[in-house]
Amino acid sequence: GAVVSQHPSRVICKSGTSVKIECRSLDFQATTMFWYRQFPKQSLMLMATSNEGSKATYEQGVEKDKFLINHASLTLSTLTVTSAHPEDSSFYICSAIYDTGELFFGEGSRLTVL
Amino acid sequence: AQSVSQHNHHVILSEAASLELGCNYSYGGTVNLFWYVQYPGQHLQLLLKYFSGDPLVKGIKGFEAEFIKSKFSFNLRKPSVQWSDTAEYFCAVRGYNTDKLIFGTGTRLQVFP
Repeated sequence: GAVVSQHPSRVICKSGTSVKIECRSLDFQATTMFWYRQFPKQSLMLMATSNEGSKATYEQGVEKDKFLINHASLTLSTLTVTSAHPEDSSFYICSAIYDTGELFFGEGSRLTVL
Repeated sequence: AQSVSQHNHHVILSEAASLELGCNYSYGGTVNLFWYVQYPGQHLQLLLKYFSGDPLVKGIKGFEAEFIKSKFSFNLRKPSVQWSDTAEYFCAVRGYNTDKLIFGTGTRLQVFP
């Protein structure tokens, strides 16, 4: 199947700094990618839809200035958590739509804000 | 709004026991339905999906699910679980005219030898 890769898999940062997480579709082009957030023992919460060449569409309650999404190419979407705070600590997962309509998921990125 | 409900949060079984995980969804139109599995330390993988046709769908590793439209359900089943099935299982729904996938809260399955 198709491969989606995230980097970094783990990141620790100080409060107030910004962190960038990359999501790449390795063997296919993805015009649409999604960013999810997963809290411990909870479900995946859709944060935003990332569209190549246009602005991301954010879900209700997700701060677009806090979670900057850039989808500059057909194989790369980035999520930047700006001015991170401890409550932003979470597991962030991206997914990309394959040609068949199926979603493939990245390995996830665990962010810890101290 | 779309929503997905998984009733079993934590299931503990012995090997060879049968498994059924419940999933109900709320959506006012045609849907695509999915079950994903997340093994410890790994990313989400697709177990099976329903788009249309036969409501009984078979997936990988001996799993199957039945779409019952009248009950808005898509329960996951396996006749005989193995220790290697220990994982988190997520049901998900996608409206026919959207790309967004909405997940249930997940069910943690533990299988003991």
